[in-house]
Amino acid sequence: DGGITQSPKYLFRKEGQNVTLSCEQNLNHDAMYWYRQDPGQGLRLIYYSQIVNDFQKGDIAEGYSVSREKKESFPLTVTSAQKNPTAFYLCASSMRLAGDVNEQFFGPGTRLTVL
Amino acid sequence: KNQVEQSPQSLIILEGKNCTLQCNYTVSPFSNLRWYKQDTGRGPVSLTIMTFSENTKSNGRYTATLDADTKQSSLHITASQLSDSASYICVVSEGFSGGYNKLIFGAGTRLAVHP
Repeated sequence: DGGITQSPKYLFRKEGQNVTLSCEQNLNHDAMYWYRQDPGQGLRLIYYSQIVNDFQKGDIAEGYSVSREKKESFPLTVTSAQKNPTAFYLCASSMRLAGDVNEQFFGPGTRLTVL
Repeated sequence: KNQVEQSPQSLIILEGKNCTLQCNYTVSPFSNLRWYKQDTGRGPVSLTIMTFSENTKSNGRYTATLDADTKQSSLHITASQLSDSASYICVVSEGFSGGYNKLIFGAGTRLAVHP
């Protein structure tokens, strides 16, 4: 069963704590992405990666960190430096980073709530 | 500034009726335009992708149109069903060859289909 999985579905964190969101894909895609979704706003790009051990900052990378040690995995760490981390986080992947029609496939999301 | 604006913000229709959602964009250069369906608490799922040369594309009861001259797109839903209740997101891909085709997301239209 091919696709993208994210875990956990719901996550609660106390202020001042770091937390890591998991994203795994078995689609053999090279590119992976992390987005943040807030009510009434479009998705905003946090980080993206086109290959193992390489990743780039998106529009709102401050307070977040990522790693890409395996092609299948792209975990996102929300650090205590992120001022407003409560949001819905979406992971996505695509065959490659660029191209005329480069469809991104999304995972089911993780809802992070800071208490 | 590259932007994607969607209207209306929300819409309520009766089951079996048709509806049309609008998307205006100011993204340049343009690569393609996508419509996604996002159920509450889930990741977006692609409905259609249209390149510059395409002005209409269908996916079952969903038909998207694109007018690249006026930079407008619409998503028409025919014979609505209760399962169509979701947010519909318009996404425009910037056209940068050799690099990352950045996606610009609209805030979405929240559709509720009532029996």
